[in-house]
Amino acid sequence: NAGVTQTPKFQVLKTGQSMTLQCAQDMNHEYMSWYRQDPGMGLRLIHYSVGAGITDQGEVPNGYNVSRSTTEDFPLRLLSAAPSQTSVYFCASSQNGQVGNYGYTFGSGTRLTVV
Amino acid sequence: AQSVTQLDSQVPVFEEAPVELRCNYSSSVSVYLFWYVQYPNQGLQLLLKYLSGSTLVKGINGFEAEFNKSQTSFHLRKPSVHISDTAEYFCAVSYGGATNKLIFGTGTLLAVQP
Repeated sequence: NAGVTQTPKFQVLKTGQSMTLQCAQDMNHEYMSWYRQDPGMGLRLIHYSVGAGITDQGEVPNGYNVSRSTTEDFPLRLLSAAPSQTSVYFCASSQNGQVGNYGYTFGSGTRLTVV
Repeated sequence: AQSVTQLDSQVPVFEEAPVELRCNYSSSVSVYLFWYVQYPNQGLQLLLKYLSGSTLVKGINGFEAEFNKSQTSFHLRKPSVHISDTAEYFCAVSYGGATNKLIFGTGTLLAVQP
């Protein structure tokens, strides 16, 4: 049981480049989300999805796109990377959308540096 | 606005001493409360949670937390810490019960010294 798998673990981008951070879960969780973690700011929600075909914005969505074509995958796209997007990105999932009952399962993170 | 406050960004403590990490949330009728731990270069792991019932919640690794509705707090405690407890600890709140979103605090780094 792999849980939540994020790839890549590390990435360096040049300003203006695009890339996709991958997130996959094998627990049949309906709810998936992306957070960014910055020093002194904790975790901030970027986008989330309550099921295949359904996505919504979180607290800091600007500069990021998501889609949810399958239950298992929830990729995060940076269309034109900026230094302000240098951060550690975490994908998290929850069973049945009931975060209060189950909490989140987190991936191990992607450390992104934009130069 | 819904928020979570962890006032202490870093808590230094000697090994085998007790520790308390503070968490306060903005008042709401219904809240679910969580503590997560993040070891260096890893993701977050669930330490414990409060949904309802007994206000004293026990978690993994000897940690416990107490829900105090009147003070809107959910402080994390451990009677005797180990070097291996050195990590960042995040308090998180789900407002409204069934909502899908967790709001996280800014984290507290617990630094255990020998």
